[in-house]
Amino acid sequence: DTGVSQDPRHKITKRGQNVTFRCDPISEHNRLYWYRQTLGQGPEFLTYFQNEAQLEKSRLLSDRFSAERPKGSFSTLEIQRTEQGDSAMYLCASSWSGRLTGELFFGEGSRLTVL
Amino acid sequence: DQQVKQNSPSLSVQEGRISILNCDYTNSMFDYFLWYKKYPAEGPTFLISISSIKDKNEDGRFTVFLNKSAKHLSLHIVPSQPGDSAVYFCAAMGLRVPGTYKYIFGTGTRLKVLA
Repeated sequence: DTGVSQDPRHKITKRGQNVTFRCDPISEHNRLYWYRQTLGQGPEFLTYFQNEAQLEKSRLLSDRFSAERPKGSFSTLEIQRTEQGDSAMYLCASSWSGRLTGELFFGEGSRLTVL
Repeated sequence: DQQVKQNSPSLSVQEGRISILNCDYTNSMFDYFLWYKKYPAEGPTFLISISSIKDKNEDGRFTVFLNKSAKHLSLHIVPSQPGDSAVYFCAAMGLRVPGTYKYIFGTGTRLKVLA
């Protein structure tokens, strides 16, 4: 399967704990995006990388959130000191900058529940 | 600020008839518009896109129309099939918009195709 993969698919944690999500993009894609989706809303942009460089971060990405893409391949999104408001589906997507329209290819998401 | 809006949260259509999903945007600098389809517990999947220099793009049963003067686009599905039942998101991206390559999504329209 050469699609975008995310791990874990589901995470239940207690308030105050740290969680980390991993995303493996499609191998030839150099852009990687993180989005968050809550019930009844569309995907909200969090951050994106071109290769290993993090080019933009949303204001939604508080200082408790950090994302990395150390070698321009997989990426991790860490949430420290989780709050109940962090409960959401975290979506990773990738694209290729050489394709101008560059549609995003999404993974199946990582659902976070903070108790 | 909601730059991409889908004002109809849901739509029901009889099988075989046309489904029309609408989307409005506020930023005239968007260059591409995309439609995604999402089933429960899955990530969004790309359907069709249109460049801002065109007013129509067709792919099989799916056609997207763009009205730049009205800042409005629509997705037509004909004929509608029960398997089309899903949530549909429109998205916009702009090469010239600050935050280049960021895709902005609407809140989605849930389509139900009745057999």
